Amino acid sequence: AQSVAQPEDQVNVAEGNPLTVKCTYSVSGNPYLFWYVQYPNRGLQFLLKYITGDNLVKGSYGFEAEFNKSQTSFHLKKPSALVSDSALYFCAVSYPSNDYKLSFGAGTTVTVRA
Amino acid sequence: DAGITQSPRHKVTETGTPVTLRCHQTENHRYMYWYRQDPGHGLRLIHYSYGVKDTDKGEVSDGYSVSRSKTEDFLLTLESATSSQTSVYFCAISEPLSGGEHNNEQFFGPGTRLTVL
Repeated sequence: AQSVAQPEDQVNVAEGNPLTVKCTYSVSGNPYLFWYVQYPNRGLQFLLKYITGDNLVKGSYGFEAEFNKSQTSFHLKKPSALVSDSALYFCAVSYPSNDYKLSFGAGTTVTVRA
Repeated sequence: DAGITQSPRHKVTETGTPVTLRCHQTENHRYMYWYRQDPGHGLRLIHYSYGVKDTDKGEVSDGYSVSRSKTEDFLLTLESATSSQTSVYFCAISEPLSGGEHNNEQFFGPGTRLTVL
């Protein structure tokens, strides 16, 4: 069975500081990994994905994520957080043998204080 | 929200009544999905469709049925609503990449907040 874990329910950072949101996965083989963001009362918005190739993936709004196969992690990062980055972030994983269905983590609430 | 609408956006109903939620897309994407979002669980897949009249179950399909008679519409029906089905429901769409590999991202609608009393 595939699953994804986001070990932190909440992350609080000051504006201008680096932001990291953690994600680990537990699947065999080669997973496809995604990050989504949800602003209040909105649907999810795609940020970035890792399919294959370079382990460092760059996405929307200055976010990036690093795929680490040995640690089965796909942490989301932003070098300098903005107050507008405050939102709910979801990591998701899919796998070809499961018809590419997405499994989502429970989500991490990010609060960036001014 | 990527040409995806959901209706209604809010609904309050009573236990035991049937409820149908509609997802409409203008992107002509092949795949459509229904998820529910609950605190502490992220999003969980209810049902999905990989073409007109082609549907399959997700991880939390009990108590739900779906239909897709046209590419653009995907309906989710709660045959007899229960309080445990109070949730926010999201529709999503995606399109396989050329070559058939389906590792493309999903695009989400704005959601429907359903309350079952």
